[in-house]
Amino acid sequence: EDQVTQSPEALRLQEGESSSLNCSYTVSGLRGLFWYRQDPGKGPEFLFTLYSAGEEKEKERLKATLTKKESFLHITAPKPEDSATYLCAVQAYNFNKFYFGSGTKLNVKP
Amino acid sequence: SAVISQKPSRDICQRGTSLTIQCQVDSQVTMMFWYRQQPGQSLTLIATANQGSEATYESGFVIDKFPISRPNLTFSTLTVSNMSPEDSSIYLCSVLPVTSGTDTQYFGPGTRLTVL
Repeated sequence: EDQVTQSPEALRLQEGESSSLNCSYTVSGLRGLFWYRQDPGKGPEFLFTLYSAGEEKEKERLKATLTKKESFLHITAPKPEDSATYLCAVQAYNFNKFYFGSGTKLNVKP
Repeated sequence: SAVISQKPSRDICQRGTSLTIQCQVDSQVTMMFWYRQQPGQSLTLIATANQGSEATYESGFVIDKFPISRPNLTFSTLTVSNMSPEDSSIYLCSVLPVTSGTDTQYFGPGTRLTVL
């Protein structure tokens, strides 16, 4: 069964304290893996798309990496404005199917 | 990317009534999706809105409860019918742009629905 699991469910960091969020997946043929940021009361905001193992993408303090079984979202020296829920989604080769994880709620304290 | 708007942004409705949510995109898109996000939960796909044909519903969702229209490549509606408090959720529209060159979905701001 195709599945996406994110960990931890919640993460509290001090400003400047780097960490990583995990997204592990089991899918029959990965077409793409997507990271989104969601602020309370808003729709998910696209961050990254990764397609193949070994691929890395960066944006400001965020860096996403992909292996054959999982993806990591690394947050370097986070700031309070990075506080949000981070969602991971995978797309299988069954084109219409996108599977979302339950998200990691990040809270960065000043 | 694509700019997506949804109307209404929020509503409070009475049990047994229906609400139609609109999704408008600023460019033509191949596929539009409707998701539900219940409080504290992740996204659950309701259906894929196909232009010129019937929507494709996921397991647990039926057309009588969630009728969808897709009259053109930039617009879709989702109706939540005969509402109950269990339908209280955020409803999200997402799109797969024609020219994106990727399979990345872009999301609208969501419609927050409360059913009393």
